[in-house]
Amino acid sequence: EDQVTQSPEALRLQEGESSSLNCSYTVSGLRGLFWYRQDPGKGPEFLFTLYSAGEEKEKERLKATLTKKESFLHITAPKPEDSATYLCAVHSGGSNYKLTFGKGTLLTVNP
Amino acid sequence: GAGVSQSPSNKVTEKGKDVELRCDPISGHTALYWYRQRLGQGLEFLIYFQGNSAPDKSGLPSDRFSAERTGESVSTLTIQRTQQEDSAVYLCASSQGLGTNEQYFGPGTRLTVT
Repeated sequence: EDQVTQSPEALRLQEGESSSLNCSYTVSGLRGLFWYRQDPGKGPEFLFTLYSAGEEKEKERLKATLTKKESFLHITAPKPEDSATYLCAVHSGGSNYKLTFGKGTLLTVNP
Repeated sequence: GAGVSQSPSNKVTEKGKDVELRCDPISGHTALYWYRQRLGQGLEFLIYFQGNSAPDKSGLPSDRFSAERTGESVSTLTIQRTQQEDSAVYLCASSQGLGTNEQYFGPGTRLTVT
């Protein structure tokens, strides 16, 4: 059974203080790892897809990286508007097209 | 273009009543998914539709849950004889449906069973 574990559960940063969120996964054949951002009362917003170990993708202050066991979401010089819950999900070879999600990391960036 | 839309945004119902939740996917997306998000939990897969293929119902928690989709358009998720443990946010997503595609989510329906 696919498993996704995100850490920490919550992270509080000062504006400009860079950090990383972790997503550890166990799957039977990774076909894709996804990062989403979710604001309160809204649906998840797609950020990145990573397909193979060593791959990296960037968007503004966010950079996602992937190894064979985990993914990191690096946040550089965050701003208060980056405050949200960040979700990690995997699509494995044995699950058709469904995604298995972690519980998320609640990020708060204080001004 | 228009994203995934869901209605109603909020639904309060009494235990034992039936509810219907609606999802309008992004035009042209052949795949449609329903997920459930309970407070403090990760998103839980419920059901998947792909074109005219038989749906993947492997995530439905009980026979009180069912879903339909008309062609490649609107889908409805029906919960019969609602229970308090059904209280959650129900999220719909759609994707292009080929290979490993990004799923785009709607805003969700918050269901409260009293």
